[in-house]
Amino acid sequence: EPEVTQTPSHQVTQMGQEVILRCVPISNHLYFYWYRQILGQKVEFLVSFYNNEISEKSEIFDDQFSVERPDGSNFTLKIRSTKLEDSAMYFCASSDLAGGPYIQYFGAGTRLSVL
Amino acid sequence: AQSVTQLGSHVSVSEGALVLLRCNYSSSVPPYLFWYVQYPNQGLQLLLKYTTGATLVKGINGFEAEFKKSETSFHLTKPSAHMSDAAEYFCAVSDQAAGNKLTFGGGTRVLVKP
Repeated sequence: EPEVTQTPSHQVTQMGQEVILRCVPISNHLYFYWYRQILGQKVEFLVSFYNNEISEKSEIFDDQFSVERPDGSNFTLKIRSTKLEDSAMYFCASSDLAGGPYIQYFGAGTRLSVL
Repeated sequence: AQSVTQLGSHVSVSEGALVLLRCNYSSSVPPYLFWYVQYPNQGLQLLLKYTTGATLVKGINGFEAEFKKSETSFHLTKPSAHMSDAAEYFCAVSDQAAGNKLTFGGGTRVLVKP
């Protein structure tokens, strides 16, 4: 069964460093998303991406965050200068049109630890 | 803005007993509603969804949920719990007017006792 793949599973970084979280969505999907879950808190929407541009972003997704689809298979989330409060589990999701753009399939997540 | 409330962050059930997880939502438009399950060290897996039509929806692993507009609820049930149902369960609502983003509840962790 096709799945969303995220790498790495765990990323440790120093405060102020840049990190790139990588995702390979399901191959025929057209809509891409990033969510995060701070330990003990709700899963929160960060950004949605369609047709090579951001379609929606939350107030969390400030200038320190960016997303890119550098090729036909990867979807990345970059945090330019990490803060302690960026420590969280980051989930990538994708969806297609056939199933409706509202059915999102999630990866296993990347746990980001900022020290 | 949409919101989702899950009553009970932890639920403990005996194997074979009914599982009932509560979810209430707030939405200004007809909602699309979802239940996701997360097993340890895995991603969020779709259990079931409600978009339109029949208000009782069946999902994987014997789970079902009923959309009740008058109560703004979408509670998840399973008649007989199995040890493999131990996981965290998330209710979510989709905002079609905002990039189809999902708004999640806080999650309910289910413990199944033998």
